Formats: sequence, structure tokens, C-alpha cells
Amino acid sequence: DVKVTQSSRYLVKRTGEKVFLECVQDMDHENMFWYRQDPGLGLRLIYFSYDVKMKEKGDIPEGYSVSREKKERFSLILESASTNQTSMYLCASSIREGKLFFGSGTQLSVL
Amino acid sequence: KQEVTQIPAALSVPEGENLVLNCSFTDSAIYNLQWFRQDPGKGLTSLLLIQSSQREQTSGRLNASLDKSSGRSTLYIAASQPGDSATYLCAVRRGGGADGLTFGKGTHLIIQP
Repeated sequence: DVKVTQSSRYLVKRTGEKVFLECVQDMDHENMFWYRQDPGLGLRLIYFSYDVKMKEKGDIPEGYSVSREKKERFSLILESASTNQTSMYLCASSIREGKLFFGSGTQLSVL
Repeated sequence: KQEVTQIPAALSVPEGENLVLNCSFTDSAIYNLQWFRQDPGKGLTSLLLIQSSQREQTSGRLNASLDKSSGRSTLYIAASQPGDSATYLCAVRRGGGADGLTFGKGTHLIIQP
């Protein structure tokens, strides 16, 4: 079965901290995505990657960066966490334009 | 810019009923459309993927249809069960290439026992 694993289910951080969210997929997918999900706003794309070391900005990249050094791993970095980055973060992967598979999500609280 | 709308935002029906969830999109130049289920506090689970050249897809009690020209998709759930209670989201993928999806905000479904 397809598996996308996010390293933490719940995370609590302080304002100004550097935060790393990790995502690993075991399906050899080219594409990987980071979304955030907020009540009333739905899912919004932060960044996506279509190959190792390749990345594209999504709709809301401000305050975030990403890293993809290996095909199976896509990391989301909050350089200096702020309270408005409190959210559910969802990682996903797919082959080219195929079916999207999601991880179980990380609920991040920034205090 | 593609916009995806799901109506109604919430729906409550008795167990056993057949029901239809709706998804509409503004730009018919899509590559595919995918239906997901999301349980509270969890990630999204893929239910069905319809390519732009297809009219429908079926999986068990679920049937999804696509009318690309009119910008509509429906998810039909037969003989609903309390375990079907969840939020259902649709998403359309823009064109080819490594591009992201545009999601609707979902329909929150409650099946009353």
C-alpha cells in the first residue's frame, strides 16, 4: 500500500523558532506537495517539487521554504515561526498527474 | 483562476439513504478530478480519480461522474452508513505538468444512525 509519512502528528513551537516538518513517501513519486489547511479557507498550496532539488512556489509561499535532497523526502521549513502559521500541514505525493496521496497531517501550534 | 465550489457545505441524512454530493469548477480545461474523504484531524484519503477523458468511475458503493463541458462532478454514495460520516472534498488538476490541484472546501456529511 502507498505510504506518505509525516514525522509528527502534533507540534508546539514558540514564536521565532525555526521549524522543520518532514515528509517521506515510499512510492518513488516524482511530485511532492505541502499544503496548509485552515477552517473556512480550505487547502492552500505552499510549495511543490517535481524532482530532486526542484521546487516551485504555490499560492502562499511567504514565510516558508522547502528542501528536497532525496526523491523520497520533502521538508517544509518555517524560518521564523509566527502565530499566523498555526495550522494543519499536509504533505502529499503523486506520479506526474496521477492520483494524489496524503500523509496524516501535522497540527502545528505556534505560541 | 480555477475556482472549485462544493454545495452544500454540510449535509445530514438518515442511514440507508442514497445521496449525491456536488462539485463545480469554473475552468473546464482540467486534466483530472479527484474525490477525497477526510476524517476529523486526519489527512485526506483518495476515493476516486476521473481523467478528463472519462465520464465516471466506480468503487464499491461510490460512483463519481464528470461532465467537463459543464464544469460539474458528482459523487454518489449508495446505501449510506454511519461510517461514511466525514468531509468530502473534490479537487481538479490544472493541465499537464507537475502542477498542483485546486480544492473545493468540502461537504461535511453526517449519516444519522
